[in-house]
Amino acid sequence: DTAVSQTPKYLVTQMGNDKSIKCEQNLGHDTMYWYKQDSKKFLKIMFSYNNKELIINETVPNRFSPKSPDKAHLNLHINSLELGDSAVYFCASSTGPGNPSQAKNIQYFGAGTRLSVL
Amino acid sequence: SQQGEEDPQALSIQEGENATMNCSYKTSINNLQWYRQNSGRGLVHLILIRSNEREKHSGRLRVTLDTSKKSSSLLITASRAADTASYFCATDNTDKLIFGTGTRLQVFP
Repeated sequence: DTAVSQTPKYLVTQMGNDKSIKCEQNLGHDTMYWYKQDSKKFLKIMFSYNNKELIINETVPNRFSPKSPDKAHLNLHINSLELGDSAVYFCASSTGPGNPSQAKNIQYFGAGTRLSVL
Repeated sequence: SQQGEEDPQALSIQEGENATMNCSYKTSINNLQWYRQNSGRGLVHLILIRSNEREKHSGRLRVTLDTSKKSSSLLITASRAADTASYFCATDNTDKLIFGTGTRLQVFP
């Protein structure tokens, strides 16, 4: 069983379209994340949810809207896609930031969704 | 930008050699983690070192941390072709991880 699974693996679409990426984790973790990795491999956090509540929103355009129906799922919807949105999007989960001394922030990543906007 | 820097950006070695990657960061941290990313795959956690630790070992991996210099290093001993991947450090600032720019390691058989 894949611990963190995201679909689709590849997404090719035209500028202006709306698309969604889904993520599910079966690790029983409380916290889930969306990251964007650009063509230079820079990995940047976009959002984090803890028990369905948004806890991190890193100055991402409001065309990006995460939704967490339950703590095992975190989906990402993108409206009006732009060329600059082309990247690999990773979902991840962890037991949660919690007490730093307990090092709860080890993250488990999905395989990524490669989004190409034409 | 809060993003950490890693050097070298790319490293090519022969199987059996050791590989050393360095990471520098800018803010105070609770712990520092290293991750590996194989081509076309997600990141995989390798090792975590707490801010009050100076060195940690796990198999062929050795990590050091110098909080006064805000730097860490990852040493992979007796490298194998299967170690070919990108390696990222990530600083844990309580609520999120901030990833470094990554080192691409190529190990030739």
